[in-house]
Amino acid sequence: QKEVEQDPGPLSVPEGAIVSLNCTYSNSAFQYFMWYRQYSRKGPELLMYTYSSGNKEDGRFTAQVDKSSKYISLFIRDSQPSDSATYLCAMSGGSYIPTFGRGTSLIVHP
Amino acid sequence: EAQVTQNPRYLITVTGKKLTVTCSQNMNHEYMSWYRQDPGLGLRQIYYSMNVEVTDKGDVPEGYKVSRKEKRNFPLILESPSPNQTSLYFCASSEPKGGGTEAFFGQGTRLTVV
Repeated sequence: QKEVEQDPGPLSVPEGAIVSLNCTYSNSAFQYFMWYRQYSRKGPELLMYTYSSGNKEDGRFTAQVDKSSKYISLFIRDSQPSDSATYLCAMSGGSYIPTFGRGTSLIVHP
Repeated sequence: EAQVTQNPRYLITVTGKKLTVTCSQNMNHEYMSWYRQDPGLGLRQIYYSMNVEVTDKGDVPEGYKVSRKEKRNFPLILESPSPNQTSLYFCASSEPKGGGTEAFFGQGTRLTVV
C-alpha cells in the first residue's frame, strides 16, 4: 500500500461546480499537508498548506484535514476553466522532503 | 527571482549513452530532490539530499546517481540510460513553511531514451 493514495481521475465538471479532491494516507507521522497544482507542461506549484485538523480557506479554495481518519480534501468553489490542471496532495512529517500523491486530473468545461 | 533551473528541457538519447541533467537553485535551500513523473504513476521520488554531501535513495533509485558537492547544485546522472527511463523529470528544492515544507519545482526535463 502506498503511503498516500489519490484517485488519478480524470474528473470532469461543468464551470461553476463545486469540486472535491481527496487523498488518504497511512503514515501517522505526517503532520503537514499540502496541495500542489500542476498545469500541463509545467512543474507543480504550491497552492495551499495546512498543519492541523480542520479547514483552511483561501479564496475559492478550502483545504480540509481529518487526522483521525487520515483523510484530506481540497474543495474548489465556483470552478473555472482556468482551474483545469492536475492537483497533487503532499504531506510530510519530520523531514522537509514531502511525499506526493499520484495527482488528480481536473477538467472544468465551459 | 527565486527559481529552480533544470537543463536541458528536452533530451533524446540512445540506450547506454551516459547523460547528466543539471539542477540549480538560487534560494539557499538545504533540501533538494529528484522526481520522475509518468502517466498513471504520478510523481515518484528518485533521490533526495538533506545537505551538501548527504544524499539518500527515494522510491525508484535504480539506474540513477546523484551528487551534492555544492548547496545550489544537484545533478542527476544516468550512467547507462535504458528505454524504461523515458520520462518527465523534475528537480525540487524545499524549505520550511508554516511548520511544514514548501517544494519549489524546476520546469521539468522530458527525456526520451531510444
